[in-house]
Amino acid sequence: QVQVVQSGAEVKKPGASLKVSCKASGYTFTGYYMHWVRQAPGQGLEWMGWIDPNSGVTNYAQKFQGRVTMTGDTSISTAYMELSRLRSDDTAVYYCARGEAVGALDVWGKGTTVTVSS
Amino acid sequence: DIQMTQSPSTLSASVGDRVTITCRASQTISYWLAWYQQKPGKAPKLLIHKASSLESGVPSRFSGSGSGTEFTLTISSLQPDDFATYYCQQYNSYSTLIFGGGTKVEIK
Repeated sequence: QVQVVQSGAEVKKPGASLKVSCKASGYTFTGYYMHWVRQAPGQGLEWMGWIDPNSGVTNYAQKFQGRVTMTGDTSISTAYMELSRLRSDDTAVYYCARGEAVGALDVWGKGTTVTVSS
Repeated sequence: DIQMTQSPSTLSASVGDRVTITCRASQTISYWLAWYQQKPGKAPKLLIHKASSLESGVPSRFSGSGSGTEFTLTISSLQPDDFATYYCQQYNSYSTLIFGGGTKVEIK
């Protein structure tokens, strides 16, 4: 079945970097964009950006530009989201989700819990 | 950036009630709006796209309407499985996807 499977929970120190993976299966990886959305504890959903795995083109939310890098490895149908210079307010659940460049997100990973603490 | 405002932020209702959630955009987004349901500890689930198109497998008690700047999600007869938080999301803008703040549907 169509699914995206994310890597496991992470604990990071302030100032460190984070890299979350998202492996797609059941569909053509290069046929859809991969979006990243995060959710801080008790808060709403925040869109971070997308990558087109076919071309490598990315589009980041202004808030994260300069700190986020999204990449894809088509040989293993896996997308990655790297966030640098972590702060305590980056503590959140990070989701990858399939979609178009501009569109609804129809397949979501289960989320990766990231805790940033000294 | 386009702002998305959902109301109410919390809604108390009983099983069998008709429930309506509103989402307003700060500028017109045509019908480029989606609705999601999220339960605690789970990923969001797409319910409706293009304002009124029901996603495959979603019960028909869910419906969406609206265009331009005002949109509604209606649950015709609330079921126990529907107690959750609901988010709208605009995708009119090529550069940015924006979610509403969410509406928590609680048991009355």
